[in-house]
Amino acid sequence: DGGITQSPKYLFRKEGQNVTLSCEQNLNHDAMYWYRQDPGQGLRLIYYSQIVNDFQKGDIAEGYSVSREKKESFPLTVTSAQKNPTAFYLCAAGVGGPDTQYFGPGTRLTVL
Amino acid sequence: AQSVTQLDSQVPVFEEAPVELRCNYSSSVSVYLFWYVQYPNQGLQLLLKYLSGSTLVKGINGFEAEFNKSQTSFHLRKPSVHISDTAEYFCAVSDRAGNNRKLIWGLGTSLAVNP
Repeated sequence: DGGITQSPKYLFRKEGQNVTLSCEQNLNHDAMYWYRQDPGQGLRLIYYSQIVNDFQKGDIAEGYSVSREKKESFPLTVTSAQKNPTAFYLCAAGVGGPDTQYFGPGTRLTVL
Repeated sequence: AQSVTQLDSQVPVFEEAPVELRCNYSSSVSVYLFWYVQYPNQGLQLLLKYLSGSTLVKGINGFEAEFNKSQTSFHLRKPSVHISDTAEYFCAVSDRAGNNRKLIWGLGTSLAVNP
Protein backbone atom coordinates (compact mmCIF):
# COMPACT_ATOMS: atom_id res chain seq x y z
CA ASP A 1 0.00 0.00 0.00
CA GLY A 2 3.02 2.30 0.12
CA GLY A 3 2.50 5.68 1.74
CA ILE A 4 -1.17 6.06 0.89
CA THR A 5 -3.83 6.10 3.56
CA GLN A 6 -7.53 5.69 2.96
CA SER A 7 -10.04 6.01 5.72
CA PRO A 8 -12.24 4.51 6.85
CA LYS A 9 -11.86 0.91 5.67
CA TYR A 10 -15.62 0.33 5.80
CA LEU A 11 -18.28 3.01 5.53
CA PHE A 12 -22.04 2.78 5.78
CA ARG A 13 -24.43 5.53 4.79
CA LYS A 14 -28.12 5.97 4.27
CA GLU A 15 -29.43 6.61 0.79
CA GLY A 16 -29.58 10.30 -0.04
CA GLN A 17 -26.63 11.31 2.12
CA ASN A 18 -23.39 12.70 0.79
CA VAL A 19 -20.24 11.01 2.04
CA THR A 20 -16.57 11.96 1.75
CA LEU A 21 -13.80 9.39 1.41
CA SER A 22 -10.36 10.38 2.58
CA CYS A 23 -7.10 9.80 0.70
CA GLU A 24 -3.73 11.00 1.98
CA GLN A 25 -0.26 10.31 0.57
CA ASN A 26 3.23 10.96 1.89
CA LEU A 27 5.04 9.92 -1.29
CA ASN A 28 5.27 13.49 -2.57
CA HIS A 29 3.73 12.42 -5.87
CA ASP A 30 2.09 14.99 -8.14
CA ALA A 31 -0.64 12.80 -9.59
CA MET A 32 -3.53 11.26 -7.67
CA TYR A 33 -6.43 9.12 -8.82
CA TRP A 34 -9.77 7.77 -7.66
CA TYR A 35 -11.09 4.46 -8.97
CA ARG A 36 -14.26 2.55 -8.40
CA GLN A 37 -14.18 -1.24 -8.40
CA ASP A 38 -17.23 -3.46 -8.85
CA PRO A 39 -17.16 -7.25 -9.22
CA GLY A 40 -16.29 -8.27 -12.76
CA GLN A 41 -15.82 -4.69 -13.97
CA GLY A 42 -12.20 -4.05 -13.13
CA LEU A 43 -11.13 -0.54 -12.20
CA ARG A 44 -12.99 2.49 -13.52
CA LEU A 45 -11.48 5.95 -13.23
CA ILE A 46 -13.64 8.52 -11.45
CA TYR A 47 -11.36 11.57 -11.21
CA TYR A 48 -7.67 12.31 -11.41
CA SER A 49 -5.44 15.21 -10.54
CA GLN A 50 -2.03 15.97 -11.98
CA ILE A 51 -1.27 18.97 -9.80
CA VAL A 52 -2.64 20.90 -6.86
CA ASN A 53 -5.81 22.90 -7.58
CA ASP A 54 -6.43 21.04 -10.82
CA PHE A 55 -8.35 17.85 -11.58
CA GLN A 56 -10.05 16.14 -14.51
CA LYS A 57 -13.06 13.90 -14.88
CA GLY A 58 -12.45 10.25 -15.54
CA ASP A 59 -14.80 7.81 -17.19
CA ILE A 60 -17.52 7.75 -14.51
CA ALA A 61 -17.43 11.17 -12.81
CA GLU A 62 -21.20 11.71 -12.61
CA GLY A 63 -22.38 11.84 -9.01
CA TYR A 64 -18.88 12.40 -7.61
CA SER A 65 -16.81 15.44 -6.73
CA VAL A 66 -13.21 15.99 -5.66
CA SER A 67 -10.85 18.69 -4.47
CA ARG A 68 -7.07 19.00 -4.51
CA GLU A 69 -6.15 21.84 -2.19
CA LYS A 70 -2.99 20.15 -0.95
CA LYS A 71 -0.50 17.91 -2.71
CA GLU A 72 -0.91 15.15 -0.16
CA SER A 73 -4.72 15.06 -0.04
CA PHE A 74 -7.37 14.15 -2.62
CA PRO A 75 -10.77 13.58 -0.97
CA LEU A 76 -13.68 12.13 -2.92
CA THR A 77 -17.29 13.04 -2.19
CA VAL A 78 -19.98 10.61 -3.23
CA THR A 79 -23.10 12.69 -3.65
CA SER A 80 -26.73 11.72 -3.48
CA ALA A 81 -26.80 12.06 -7.27
CA GLN A 82 -24.71 8.89 -7.63
CA LYS A 83 -27.34 6.29 -8.39
CA ASN A 84 -25.45 3.19 -7.32
CA PRO A 85 -22.74 4.23 -4.87
CA THR A 86 -22.15 0.90 -3.14
CA ALA A 87 -18.68 -0.19 -4.27
CA PHE A 88 -15.03 -0.54 -3.35
CA TYR A 89 -13.16 2.75 -3.82
CA LEU A 90 -9.43 2.88 -4.45
CA CYS A 91 -7.15 5.89 -4.32
CA ALA A 92 -3.77 5.92 -6.04
CA ALA A 93 -0.82 8.27 -6.46
CA GLY A 94 1.97 8.40 -8.99
CA VAL A 95 4.85 10.49 -10.23
CA GLY A 96 3.00 10.86 -13.47
CA GLY A 97 3.62 9.83 -17.02
CA PRO A 98 3.84 6.12 -17.79
CA ASP A 99 4.89 5.21 -14.34
CA THR A 100 3.72 3.11 -11.47
CA GLN A 101 0.59 4.02 -9.56
CA TYR A 102 0.69 3.26 -5.85
CA PHE A 103 -2.59 2.26 -4.29
CA GLY A 104 -4.16 2.71 -0.91
CA PRO A 105 -5.95 -0.14 0.88
CA GLY A 106 -9.38 0.98 -0.32
CA THR A 107 -12.68 1.99 1.28
CA ARG A 108 -15.73 -0.23 0.97
CA LEU A 109 -18.80 1.98 0.86
CA THR A 110 -22.23 0.49 1.48
CA VAL A 111 -25.30 2.63 1.02
CA LEU A 112 -28.37 1.27 2.78
CA ALA B 1 -8.49 4.34 -28.52
CA GLN B 2 -6.58 1.93 -26.37
CA SER B 3 -8.08 -1.17 -24.83
CA VAL B 4 -6.91 -4.12 -22.78
CA THR B 5 -8.34 -7.63 -22.92
CA GLN B 6 -7.60 -10.22 -20.30
CA LEU B 7 -8.59 -13.40 -22.03
CA ASP B 8 -9.48 -15.45 -18.96
CA SER B 9 -11.71 -14.19 -16.18
CA GLN B 10 -10.85 -17.13 -13.94
CA VAL B 11 -7.87 -19.47 -13.90
CA PRO B 12 -7.88 -22.45 -11.53
CA VAL B 13 -4.56 -24.22 -11.03
CA PHE B 14 -3.01 -26.69 -8.63
CA GLU B 15 -0.21 -25.71 -6.31
CA GLU B 16 3.30 -26.02 -7.82
CA ALA B 17 1.89 -26.07 -11.36
CA PRO B 18 2.88 -23.42 -13.93
CA VAL B 19 0.44 -20.68 -14.84
CA GLU B 20 -0.02 -18.16 -17.63
CA LEU B 21 -2.42 -15.23 -17.43
CA ARG B 22 -3.08 -13.75 -20.83
CA CYS B 23 -3.29 -10.08 -21.72
CA ASN B 24 -3.76 -8.51 -25.15
CA TYR B 25 -3.97 -4.83 -25.92
CA SER B 26 -4.88 -2.62 -28.82
CA SER B 27 -3.30 0.73 -29.46
CA SER B 28 -2.34 2.88 -32.41
CA VAL B 29 0.75 4.13 -30.59
CA SER B 30 3.56 2.60 -28.59
CA VAL B 31 2.65 1.70 -25.05
CA TYR B 32 3.93 0.92 -21.61
CA LEU B 33 2.54 -2.22 -19.98
CA PHE B 34 1.87 -3.19 -16.38
CA TRP B 35 0.68 -6.13 -14.29
CA TYR B 36 -0.81 -5.51 -10.85
CA VAL B 37 -1.99 -7.96 -8.19
CA GLN B 38 -4.84 -7.46 -5.74
CA TYR B 39 -5.28 -9.68 -2.70
CA PRO B 40 -8.80 -9.89 -1.21
CA ASN B 41 -10.07 -6.61 0.21
CA GLN B 42 -6.80 -4.84 -0.42
CA GLY B 43 -5.39 -2.26 -2.80
CA LEU B 44 -3.36 -3.10 -5.89
CA GLN B 45 0.36 -3.77 -5.91
CA LEU B 46 2.67 -3.55 -8.91
CA LEU B 47 4.02 -6.95 -10.02
CA LEU B 48 6.07 -5.77 -12.99
CA LYS B 49 6.17 -3.30 -15.84
CA TYR B 50 7.55 -2.98 -19.34
CA LEU B 51 8.81 0.44 -20.35
CA SER B 52 11.58 -0.36 -22.83
CA GLY B 53 14.53 -2.68 -23.42
CA SER B 54 14.37 -6.41 -22.92
CA THR B 55 10.96 -7.83 -23.76
CA LEU B 56 11.20 -10.34 -20.92
CA VAL B 57 10.41 -8.58 -17.67
CA LYS B 58 10.90 -10.09 -14.24
CA GLY B 59 8.81 -8.98 -11.30
CA ILE B 60 8.18 -9.74 -7.67
CA ASN B 61 7.11 -13.10 -6.24
CA GLY B 62 8.69 -15.06 -9.11
CA PHE B 63 6.42 -13.67 -11.84
CA GLU B 64 7.61 -12.67 -15.29
CA ALA B 65 5.98 -11.36 -18.44
CA GLU B 66 6.97 -11.12 -22.07
CA PHE B 67 6.10 -8.22 -24.32
CA ASN B 68 5.26 -9.35 -27.84
CA LYS B 69 4.77 -6.35 -30.08
CA SER B 70 3.70 -8.28 -33.16
CA GLN B 71 0.98 -10.09 -31.23
CA THR B 72 0.22 -7.08 -29.00
CA SER B 73 0.40 -9.29 -25.95
CA PHE B 74 1.90 -9.11 -22.48
CA HIS B 75 1.25 -12.49 -20.88
CA LEU B 76 2.13 -13.10 -17.23
CA ARG B 77 3.77 -16.36 -16.20
CA LYS B 78 5.01 -18.18 -13.15
CA PRO B 79 6.70 -21.60 -13.34
CA SER B 80 5.37 -22.87 -10.01
CA VAL B 81 2.53 -21.25 -8.12
CA HIS B 82 1.85 -21.22 -4.41
CA ILE B 83 -1.38 -21.04 -2.47
CA SER B 84 -0.47 -17.47 -1.55
CA ASP B 85 -0.62 -16.46 -5.23
CA THR B 86 -4.40 -16.71 -5.09
CA ALA B 87 -5.51 -13.20 -6.01
CA GLU B 88 -6.93 -10.97 -8.76
CA TYR B 89 -4.46 -9.93 -11.45
CA PHE B 90 -4.87 -6.84 -13.61
CA CYS B 91 -3.13 -5.91 -16.84
CA ALA B 92 -2.89 -2.21 -17.72
CA VAL B 93 -1.51 -0.08 -20.56
CA SER B 94 -0.39 3.51 -20.80
CA ASP B 95 0.17 5.61 -23.89
CA ARG B 96 3.88 6.42 -24.42
CA ALA B 97 3.13 9.72 -26.04
CA GLY B 98 0.35 10.79 -23.74
CA ASN B 99 0.75 13.17 -20.88
CA ASN B 100 -2.54 12.61 -19.10
CA ARG B 101 -1.01 9.95 -16.85
CA LYS B 102 -3.94 7.57 -17.19
CA LEU B 103 -3.84 3.80 -17.25
CA ILE B 104 -6.27 1.68 -19.27
CA TRP B 105 -7.19 -1.43 -17.29
CA GLY B 106 -8.25 -4.93 -18.16
CA LEU B 107 -11.15 -6.48 -16.28
CA GLY B 108 -8.92 -8.78 -14.26
CA THR B 109 -8.15 -12.48 -13.99
CA SER B 110 -8.97 -14.33 -10.80
CA LEU B 111 -6.24 -16.88 -10.07
CA ALA B 112 -7.29 -19.67 -7.71
CA VAL B 113 -4.48 -21.94 -6.54
CA ASN B 114 -5.74 -25.19 -5.10
CA PRO B 115 -3.80 -27.65 -2.91
